[in-house]
Parts: sequence; C-alpha cells; structure tokens
Amino acid sequence: ETGVTQTPRHLVMGMTNKKSLKCEQHLGHNAMYWYKQSAKKPLELMFVYSLEERVENNSVPSRFSPECPNSSHLFLHLHTLQPEDSALYLCASSPGNNSPLHFGNGTRLTVT
Amino acid sequence: KNEVEQSPQNLTAQEGEFITINCSYSVGISALHWLQQHPGGGIVSLFMLSSGKKKHGRLIATINIQEKHSSLHITASHPRDSAVYICAVDFGNEKLTFGTGTRLTIIP
Repeated sequence: ETGVTQTPRHLVMGMTNKKSLKCEQHLGHNAMYWYKQSAKKPLELMFVYSLEERVENNSVPSRFSPECPNSSHLFLHLHTLQPEDSALYLCASSPGNNSPLHFGNGTRLTVT
Repeated sequence: KNEVEQSPQNLTAQEGEFITINCSYSVGISALHWLQQHPGGGIVSLFMLSSGKKKHGRLIATINIQEKHSSLHITASHPRDSAVYICAVDFGNEKLTFGTGTRLTIIP
C-alpha cells in the first residue's frame, strides 16, 4: 500500500465517450503527477501539479484534461480518445523536489 | 541528450541466485531512482541515491558517478522478486527520465 489510490483499475471506452480517472492521496504531499505507460515504452510524464497549480504540461493533446481541485485529489478527464491512447495511466505524489515518488496502482485504459 | 539505458531487458534466474540489473546514463545527474513494478501495474520506489551505496533487506543499490552507472543487486532471490525493475534519473531539471525496465523472473 503506497498511500495513493487510483480508480477505476480498468476502463474500456469508445472513441466518443467521456470518462474521468481519479487519484487520491492522504500523505500530505504537495506535488501530484500523471504518467502514461505504453507497452514497451518508458513512463512518460504528462502533467505535474504543485500546491494545486499546474507546473508542467508535457505537450499532451487537449483530449486529456487534468484537474486538481485540492492537494489530495487529482483527476484526468478524457474525451474523444484514440486507440493509441490505450495504456496504463499512473498517478504519483511526492512531498516535493528531490523526493521519492509514491505511485498508485494505475488505471489500465483501453480505447475501442 | 539525456538518456537512460537498462540491461538486460529480460532476466530469468533460479531461486536463490544473485541478481544484478544495470543502468547507465548519458550525462551528470542529481539523483537516480530504482523502482519496482509488479504485474498488477503498481510501482514502488525502492531507492533514491546520488552517491555510494544503499541497502534494504536483500536489495542493494550502488552508483558510480564517474562511470555514470548504477546497479541494483538482489541477494538470495525469491519468486516474489519477479517484477519489472525500472531505473529513473533526475538530470538536474527535477523531472525524471525513465529507462524501459528490466523484466525479472525468478523460477522456484
């Protein structure tokens, strides 16, 4: 148990659907992250929030929309996705810079 | 260019064997992380180091700054050690660059 909870664990959605991924941490961490892990590829950073402000948007398509309503919760809103967006989406948190990351178990997304 | 390379990509060993996984990087770093990812997908941080050596139970991580190389060792390996081990490097820009991982399988 890492203290970071992601829901749902699995999600299948059509290309015209709208869905949201949720991440929650009660570790008191100030920074939260969204990562994408595609098959055979390294983890890719998507978004970083520090103290609820977005500090990094790593050239992610606008069909992915993050939201951080408070320091404990992070969402990733999905709409009009493509099949190549199928991947494992991982949320992480950390106390701040130069600190280890605490990852959730991920949401395995399949876009049909 | 900031690059991270891991070897081997896949490693299968018998229970009890001593395991070594390697990570090389291209330029100077501020920190290197070793992570463990189990089949379910969740990732656990094992070590964060910038010099020398760290040990936790049967796991040992070393780093050689001059050679730009780190190793993760597992002593007395066990089937529950089967996982993907990922090296991630902070090149000083406070963002992690990840390797592609080493898939370790320990056979009983």
